[in-house]
Amino acid sequence: EAGVTQSPTHLIKTRGQQATLRCSPISGHTSVYWYQQALGLGLQFLLWYDEGEERNRGNFPPRFSGRQFPNYSSELNVNALELEDSALYLCASSAGGTSGNEPQFFGPGTRLTVL
Amino acid sequence: QKEVEQDPGPLSVPEGAIVSLNCTYSNSAFQYFMWYRQYSRKGPELLMYTYSSGNKEDGRFTAQVDKSSKYISLFIRDSQPSDSATYLCAMSGPDSWGKFQFGAGTQVVVTP
Repeated sequence: EAGVTQSPTHLIKTRGQQATLRCSPISGHTSVYWYQQALGLGLQFLLWYDEGEERNRGNFPPRFSGRQFPNYSSELNVNALELEDSALYLCASSAGGTSGNEPQFFGPGTRLTVL
Repeated sequence: QKEVEQDPGPLSVPEGAIVSLNCTYSNSAFQYFMWYRQYSRKGPELLMYTYSSGNKEDGRFTAQVDKSSKYISLFIRDSQPSDSATYLCAMSGPDSWGKFQFGAGTQVVVTP
């Protein structure tokens, strides 16, 4: 069974640009989660999508946004990039449900570098 | 104060020893407890998922949850050099809505 996939592996942008990160969940999973893992800060929750709807978002500014497509894949958009946005962005998927407490399975991440 | 506290290590043990990891938390509403393993520059891999208090064993791994003390543990028996990684605890509750709270991670080094 294929795991969670993310693309691209690496992304280099300059300050002020926009970045788009993509995620495909495990087959059969309907929930997708996005986390930011910055150096020394641990995993910080960004967004949760289930059945195409945004269910919850973490304490990040509105320039972090995303969406989930009918095939349950998802993309994360980061507008007006700042240097401190440089981090590993991790996508996870789960079997879904209204509580969001199901086990989450992570992809390999996209490393975003903002110059 | 962070909701989840985890000693960053590094924790160095000889091959074959038992690795003991733990996390403390402050939110008594947490009911779901997870342990992940993360190798350098890779995504976290789910090792254990437990609900409420008690013990759970899976191969060389044992997870313990003590909700009264707000304390969870992971034990790795017969440790191998391939167990060298960062171990992350995570937890959530009925009002978490998909937002797992992660510890900072403990770096483990198993020396041959």
